[in-house]
Amino acid sequence: AQSVTQLGSHVSVSEGALVLLRCNYSSSVPPYLFWYVQYPNQGLQLLLKYTTGATLVKGINGFEAEFKKSETSFHLTKPSAHMSDAAEYFCAVSGNTPLVFGKGTRLSVIA
Amino acid sequence: EAGVAQSPRYKIIEKRQSVAFWCNPISGHATLYWYQQILGQGPKLLIQFQNNGVVDDSQLPKDRFSAERLKGVDSTLKIQPAKLEDSAVYLCASSFDPAGGTDTQYFGPGTRLTVL
Repeated sequence: AQSVTQLGSHVSVSEGALVLLRCNYSSSVPPYLFWYVQYPNQGLQLLLKYTTGATLVKGINGFEAEFKKSETSFHLTKPSAHMSDAAEYFCAVSGNTPLVFGKGTRLSVIA
Repeated sequence: EAGVAQSPRYKIIEKRQSVAFWCNPISGHATLYWYQQILGQGPKLLIQFQNNGVVDDSQLPKDRFSAERLKGVDSTLKIQPAKLEDSAVYLCASSFDPAGGTDTQYFGPGTRLTVL
């Protein structure tokens, strides 16, 4: 079975500060990992995904994530937060099962 | 390119009533998914179609939920009868790859269901 744990249901950062959203996964097979963003009253939009190859993955809107097999982690980062980054972020894993999502982390950006 | 369309966007019903949601995926996408997203949680897969066949419905409460994808294009999800715990956002997603897997899923805006 596969699972995802997102540490922190709510993260608050100042505009211009580093964004770090944590994700740890459990998988019995090589995982495929995803980060999605959800703005209020909208569906989910893919930020980035890791399948194979380079462990540092760059996505849209300046986000990136690093796959660390030894730590079973796939944390999402952005060097400088913008007000428009305020949203709900979901980490997800797949492999030999359909996509399994974490519970999400709500990011607030303070001016 | 048009995105995934869903209707209605909002629905309020009383318990024991029935309700249906509609989804039109992105043109040419072979795989269609229905997810249930309860407040404060991540989406949970209810059913996955590949063209008009069911790939995975292991988490679909089949005593009250049903779904179909006639002609391999649009899809409907029905709940009959609804319970209070069915209050959630129902998301439809589609992907191009017939095998699903790592292919990007594109999500619709969802239908917010409130059961009173």
